[in-house]
Amino acid sequence: GAGVSQSPSNKVTEKGKDVELRCDPISGHTALYWYRQSLGQGLEFLIYFQGNSAPDKSGLPSDRFSAERTGGSVSTLTIQRTQQEDSAVYLCASSLAGGPGNEQFFGPGTRLTVL
Amino acid sequence: DAKTTQPPSMDCAEGRAANLPCNHSTISGNEYVYWYRQIHSQGPQYIIHGLKNNETNEMASLIITEDRKSSTLILPHATLRDTAVYYCIVRVWVGNSGGSNYKLTFGKGTLLTVNP
Repeated sequence: GAGVSQSPSNKVTEKGKDVELRCDPISGHTALYWYRQSLGQGLEFLIYFQGNSAPDKSGLPSDRFSAERTGGSVSTLTIQRTQQEDSAVYLCASSLAGGPGNEQFFGPGTRLTVL
Repeated sequence: DAKTTQPPSMDCAEGRAANLPCNHSTISGNEYVYWYRQIHSQGPQYIIHGLKNNETNEMASLIITEDRKSSTLILPHATLRDTAVYYCIVRVWVGNSGGSNYKLTFGKGTLLTVNP
């Protein structure tokens, strides 16, 4: 079946611009996660959604970052006034919350480059 | 979550079994062993997980020692497409009880290179 999809796959923007990254989770998965991975670095947790609510936003690095999820499905991560340090691969994952092992399935990521 | 240690790199010949070790000597009784991999320029991919019994799925087998202090991921017939960084992590299963152990944290992992 269809996996997690993300768009765009690549985004190049200028410092100070706003960007929106989209995630389509696996159908039926109620939990959704955003991570980012900088070059050569590990996985950095950003936010967790259960349904449309976000019980854990603790990983968002600043108030320039926000995310929403509508209809218990698609999620959008918005970065306002982008900075060069925001350059990274932004990964979305979903899981069947409550399922065995709660394994997370990842999308291909969006590579964000801030010039 | 308990810390894991893995060799930084391994090589394997195409068609042979790849055996990737992981040490997790401080694992707690309620922590599962999970394996993910990340192929270059792709998102992480879930492979397998287990608690104490050996597990097998269409991708791999997971062998966990009786004392649960180490485990081995086995790819029975490695292909060139299996070249990736493999991450071993231990974490509590969230299940239906909720909790906050959903945050995946990867260490350095093992870079497995499958050679033709």
